Amino acid sequence: SQQGEEDPQALSIQEGENATMNCSYKTSINNLQWYRQNSGRGLVHLILIRSNEREKHSGRLRVTLDTSKKSSSLLITASRAADTASYFCATDAGLLRNKLVFGAGTILRVKS
Amino acid sequence: DGGITQSPKYLFRKEGQNVTLSCEQNLNHDAMYWYRQDPGQGLRLIYYSQIVNDFQKGDIAEGYSVSREKKESFPLTVTSAQKNPTAFYLCASIRRQEGDYGYTFGSGTRLTVV
Repeated sequence: SQQGEEDPQALSIQEGENATMNCSYKTSINNLQWYRQNSGRGLVHLILIRSNEREKHSGRLRVTLDTSKKSSSLLITASRAADTASYFCATDAGLLRNKLVFGAGTILRVKS
Repeated sequence: DGGITQSPKYLFRKEGQNVTLSCEQNLNHDAMYWYRQDPGQGLRLIYYSQIVNDFQKGDIAEGYSVSREKKESFPLTVTSAQKNPTAFYLCASIRRQEGDYGYTFGSGTRLTVV
């Protein structure tokens, strides 16, 4: 079952612009994670935000979490061509610790 | 360097044939997972194991089997009962302790039915 739904499905921006991706989920969670996948490769963990946190930063990444709306957003500031990839949110559900459920992903293309 | 190794990178299966995908980790992680990814889609959980000699079915376990005889290894067998096995298969692992740890993924095996 797909827990997370990312929006938009695809995003194309110019280098230097900010990119925002959104994720909605259905059930209560312990934490929400964002991953990046370059074409044909495995996923790389970017950031984890716990259910009692509202915002978290890591380098050029900013993640927000609104548990009342069951949604999260990932902001990549000052994007670079190397940020071109698919980005997935994944939720670690309340009763199923350490069992991530992934959304369908957002394809980000950063044009140089 | 620690990590997860999946092999082979590409695998071709004939109709009615069983094939086994390898996943080995040297991270001393307790839990290991197998996910399937179809084009343009997210990952769906096939099987997972929280501890040696124990594993649980995920959302799409039919036609697959696993074993967890060693902490480092979690092989996935795609059986002939899996009618549409062509996909990208990803193995992952994680520490069970609390912390801001994400999953570590292997680089994947692309399975094609010929």
